[in-house]
Parts: sequence; structure tokens; C-alpha cells
Amino acid sequence: DTGVSQDPRHKITKRGQNVTFRCDPISEHNRLYWYRQTLGQGPEFLTYFQNEAQLEKSRLLSDRFSAERPKGSFSTLEIQRTEQGDSAMYLCASSLSMTPAYNEQFFGPGTRLTVL
Amino acid sequence: GENVEQHPSTLSVQEGDSAVIKCTYSDSASNYFPWYKQELGKRPQLIIDIRSNVGEKKDQRIAVTLNKTAKHFSLHITETQPEDSAVYFCAANQGNTGNQFYFGTGTSLTVIP
Repeated sequence: DTGVSQDPRHKITKRGQNVTFRCDPISEHNRLYWYRQTLGQGPEFLTYFQNEAQLEKSRLLSDRFSAERPKGSFSTLEIQRTEQGDSAMYLCASSLSMTPAYNEQFFGPGTRLTVL
Repeated sequence: GENVEQHPSTLSVQEGDSAVIKCTYSDSASNYFPWYKQELGKRPQLIIDIRSNVGEKKDQRIAVTLNKTAKHFSLHITETQPEDSAVYFCAANQGNTGNQFYFGTGTSLTVIP
């Protein structure tokens, strides 16, 4: 499968625990985005990487959230001290900036987080 | 920042009829407007996109129109089929700068056989 992959697909955790999600973008895609989606809403931007540099973060992203893309390939999103309000689908997307179809995003299947 | 509004939130059409979904945006710097289809439990998939240098783009039964002056763009689906039933999202982006994508709140389309 050459598409965007995410792991795990589902995560159930207790409030206060830390969780980490992984995203593997399409090979050679230099841009990677993290989104959060709740039921009935569109994807909400969290953060964006170009290669290994985190270029933009949403003002909605609290300091409990941190993301990395250490080698410009896969990325991790960590949520510390989870709260029930963190329950959502976390989507990753990647794109390649240097083609005619630049900015076409390809989404991963998402990680569904449930905080009890 | 950019604000994208999408209407209607739900839409039911008879099979074979057309469906139109409309979005407005606020930031004139936005110049790339993709549309995504999301089926229940699945990832959003790009179905069509348009850049601000054109006013209309077609791909078989799907078309998108853009009015830069009025800052609105629309998705048109003709000859709808039951498999078109899904949630559709519009989005706006500032092109190759890679800035964040701003999504609408979605339209749940039901095509009645």
C-alpha cells in the first residue's frame, strides 16, 4: 500500500494518560499535516510540517499536544494528560509541493481516540 | 484567518437529479479550493479541485465553479447515483505557500434510489 498510513487505527485510553500516534506519509511527500475531526465537523487543522520543520501550529493546539517529524519522513503526534474532550478522529495528510498538482492532499485512514 | 462556510448541511436528492453544494471564503489570498468526499468511517478523498486562475473545472459528472469576486465556490454533481451518498467537504488554501487548509463543516448528501 503506497498511501498514507496511520497507527494505531483505534486507541482507548483513560483520562490523564499519554498517547502517541504515528503517521507514515506517501513516500517522497515533503509536506505533512495533522488534523482533528469530530463527528459532524470538517477536519480541523492542528499542525503542518515541511520536511522536518514544523512550520505552523494552530492556536487551538494546547501545550499538551506535540508533534515531531525527526527525519522528514514519518511523524508522531503525542497528547499528554489526555482529557475527554480530546476524543476525536486524528487524521494525517501528506502532499508534495513541487509538482503541477501541488497541495493535493492525501489523507490517511485516521486514528480514532476515545478518552474514558 | 480564513473562514469557510458551507451550505447546506444536509441534502437529499432523487437518483438522477443534480446536487449543488456551496461554500464561501473570507480571505482573498486563498487560491486553491479542493473538495473532498468522505464516506462513513473512511478517510476524506479528493474528488476535484480548482485554482483561482480558472472559473470552472469539470470531471465527468462532477464540476466546480469559482467566483473570486464574490469569494464563493460550488460543487455540482449531475446524474446523481446512490454511491454519491457521503459527506462532502470544501476547503480553502493559499496555494503553494503550504499554509493550513480551512475546511467547511460538511454537507451530508443522500441520493434516494
